[in-house]
Amino acid sequence: DTAVSQTPKYLVTQMGNDKSIKCEQNLGHDTMYWYKQDSKKFLKIMFSYNNKELIINETVPNRFSPKSPDKAHLNLHINSLELGDSAVYFCASSRPLAGIYNEQFFGPGTRLTVL
Amino acid sequence: AQKITQTQPGMFVQEKEAVTLDCTYDTSDQSYGLFWYKQPSSGEMIFLIYQGSYDEQNATEGRYSLNFQKARKSANLVISASQLGDSAMYFCAMREGRGGSNYKLTFGKGTLLTVNP
Repeated sequence: DTAVSQTPKYLVTQMGNDKSIKCEQNLGHDTMYWYKQDSKKFLKIMFSYNNKELIINETVPNRFSPKSPDKAHLNLHINSLELGDSAVYFCASSRPLAGIYNEQFFGPGTRLTVL
Repeated sequence: AQKITQTQPGMFVQEKEAVTLDCTYDTSDQSYGLFWYKQPSSGEMIFLIYQGSYDEQNATEGRYSLNFQKARKSANLVISASQLGDSAMYFCAMREGRGGSNYKLTFGKGTLLTVNP
């Protein structure tokens, strides 16, 4: 009964390849997010979706394309992978925004290594 | 300017002692929320505690408390009676009230806490 799940947990690939990371939440949340954690552990928002609608695209290269087929899923597709894309990618979700208090529940992360 | 500043890259504490992890924030919003997350070496992000800008009392959750000083824009995490399992990276984060900023957490750079036996 995992709340926010991501697949795969580890992803090792060559430069130039295209890959996808999948995220699913079973919490009934309307809002989902992708964060990137770099090698220095710094976490930064990439995208946020509310009810399948893109709300935030935080200056992410257009090689990254999120897709939300329904409220429970937010996938991340990355084209033409580069060395600098190596990071841990976290999916998160939260309840509908009815105030500032809405903790985000994070998935276990996907460690992407680009060789 | 950084929105969330954690000035302690690393902290050490003896088991059973209390420790304070510092966090200062910068926002012009009146309505905002402050969060602390723990990331153990296994990598998952664990929510610890929340403080709203309008909350008059400091938040507490078990051994965790948040020392909220609004005028100084600080939201320090206090862990009482440290345990070995508290060794982890701790992140302070803020959610602002306006527009798109309501849809993201802005994180600090984190503090690596080591609890010594």
